[in-house]
Amino acid sequence: AQRVTQPEKLLSVFKGAPVELKCNYSYSGSPELFWYVQYSRQRLQLLLRHISRESIKGFTADLNKGETSFHLKKPFAQEEDSAMYYCALRIYSNYQLIWGAGTKLIIKP
Amino acid sequence: EPEVTQTPSHQVTQMGQEVILRCVPISNHLYFYWYRQILGQKVEFLVSFYNNEISEKSEIFDDQFSVERPDGSNFTLKIRSTKLEDSAMYFCASTSQPGQPQHFGDGTRLSIL
Repeated sequence: AQRVTQPEKLLSVFKGAPVELKCNYSYSGSPELFWYVQYSRQRLQLLLRHISRESIKGFTADLNKGETSFHLKKPFAQEEDSAMYYCALRIYSNYQLIWGAGTKLIIKP
Repeated sequence: EPEVTQTPSHQVTQMGQEVILRCVPISNHLYFYWYRQILGQKVEFLVSFYNNEISEKSEIFDDQFSVERPDGSNFTLKIRSTKLEDSAMYFCASTSQPGQPQHFGDGTRLSIL
């Protein structure tokens, strides 16, 4: 069965420190993975998709098929990065998104 | 930038009552989705809709749920006889093509009393 796991419910780091939000997936097909971010009182917004291979707001994420992971990283956290981060897997049979439970990222000043 | 809009932002309804949640997808989008998130739990897929019909639905989307695109702009989710466990945030999303990222609305918080 398809599944997305975000093992950390809460991650708290100091401003300027590196950040890594973990995401692992389970899917027998070819995965398409996303990171969505939800800032306080705002909507879910697409942050990254693995096929774009972009860096958005300093964040990057690399799909590792061997480890079935898609961890989100940023070398130097900023206070405005505080938000909920959701990893999501899109399955090609019906394009629905399978979501992780989310990680709340708190950046301390 | 165009946005998906959802109304109302918060709906409070007595158990057993019908509720309609409304969404206006981005105007040139053709694929529409509803998700829900029960407080403290993960976002769950409910249904996808294309060409005026449901293309996929989850186990959650039982006979109490229905979706409609009544007028070419709105995309509604109806819950016929609400239960306490329907209390959740409901998110609408749309995309121009199924392979493109989904754009989300702000959500409607549904509280069943």
